[in-house]
Amino acid sequence: GAVVSQHPSRVICKSGTSVKIECRSLDFQATTMFWYRQFPKQSLMLMATSNEGSKATYEQGVEKDKFLINHASLTLSTLTVTSAHPEDSSFYICSATQRGGVYNEQFFGPGTRLTVL
Amino acid sequence: DQQVKQNSPSLSVQEGRISILNCDYTNSMFDYFLWYKKYPAEGPTFLISISSIKDKNEDGRFTVFLNKSAKHLSLHIVPSQPGDSAVYFCAASAVQGAQKLVFGQGTRLTINP
Repeated sequence: GAVVSQHPSRVICKSGTSVKIECRSLDFQATTMFWYRQFPKQSLMLMATSNEGSKATYEQGVEKDKFLINHASLTLSTLTVTSAHPEDSSFYICSATQRGGVYNEQFFGPGTRLTVL
Repeated sequence: DQQVKQNSPSLSVQEGRISILNCDYTNSMFDYFLWYKKYPAEGPTFLISISSIKDKNEDGRFTVFLNKSAKHLSLHIVPSQPGDSAVYFCAASAVQGAQKLVFGQGTRLTINP
């Protein structure tokens, strides 16, 4: 149980285009979903927290107009990287907390490797 | 400001021996700590956690120790197995932190046959 999927797993795009990444909780309702970014050999950095039906809360330094987050249902959150640039190339990972689950336990998706040319 | 630090980027251990991964934190508001295991190009998977009201939690081969006065926690794996080779992240959160996790930089553990 507690499986989180991400799609796509890998995407290559041209500079200036927008890319949408989906995060789904497959067998549970996620009260909260989180989006992280990981650069090579670095830690996971939290980008934003989203709750179903409300606006995402962004971490300091993360541009909300560039990284659009939509949490339309209790099982789906999307991250859209708008006007992507090469410096946005990274590994993007989402996680979800389970309604009624263990305090603070987050279940992570497999990640999406974004490469911007 | 790195609130959670894993000062050893890598660790190499012989199969069957004990692996000890360390983690230090600076924020005294943290009250819940977790360890995650991560393979390349995959998301982290939860291993074990500990609340600040405890100083030890054990689950099979994995034991986490918490020393609040030193703001230090460690993960012990015994006996170590080749499948344990991965990157291990410690993470911390606070009751007031809306379930947000703060991660350390990770330690790459390699188990040698």
